[in-house]
Amino acid sequence: QVQLQESGPGLVKPSETLSLTCAVSGYSISSGYYWGWIRQPPGKGLEWIGSIYHSGSTYYNPSLKSRVTISVDTSKNQFSLKLSSVTAADTAVYYCARLYSGYDFYFDYWGQGTLVTVSS
Amino acid sequence: SYELTQPPSVSVSPGQTARITCSGDALPKKYPYWYQQKSGQAPVLVIYEDSKRPSGIPERFSGSSSGTMATLTISGAQVEDEADYYCYSTDSSGNPLFGGGTKLTVL
Repeated sequence: QVQLQESGPGLVKPSETLSLTCAVSGYSISSGYYWGWIRQPPGKGLEWIGSIYHSGSTYYNPSLKSRVTISVDTSKNQFSLKLSSVTAADTAVYYCARLYSGYDFYFDYWGQGTLVTVSS
Repeated sequence: SYELTQPPSVSVSPGQTARITCSGDALPKKYPYWYQQKSGQAPVLVIYEDSKRPSGIPERFSGSSSGTMATLTISGAQVEDEADYYCYSTDSSGNPLFGGGTKLTVL
């Protein structure tokens, strides 16, 4: 059973960089698949942030691309998100998930999510 | 930019059929997927590739599509089906895209 667990600070100051890590268990990231980050502001819908392949190849939501970096550490079986220059609009529950590649890419396994609040 | 449009809310009584729609110009060429998200929980896939149910999803959940419209149908909706439902697809670049979500009320 694939399990994902997000971790990182729950409070970030405006203009600083948000950093989260997703630890994967039950599956080796090196074996394949894309892995991604999705966020959900309080009371709002889901927004894809970006995804990374085990080789390190990335693709990002064009609306966030200038501020996002996703990296992978296969030795620790985890991947990470950095979002720079955050504002209150970046306050959200952040989820990590696996992107299954069937006919299309879709998210099949999700972490429980972690709330990140941007506030001074 | 490409969007997936859902109604904000749908309400049914227990035992009735709930239908949630999702419209998008690329849906004739892209499969729709559906996620259920209960309050305070992560989304769960309930329909993939238009009409397939993952293991463990009740048979009352079904999906269909025609042209630019996809529909999630819950036949005989139960109180535990009350949740937010999101359609999902990918855009022409292969980027993941979620609809705005539909709040299903069963009471």
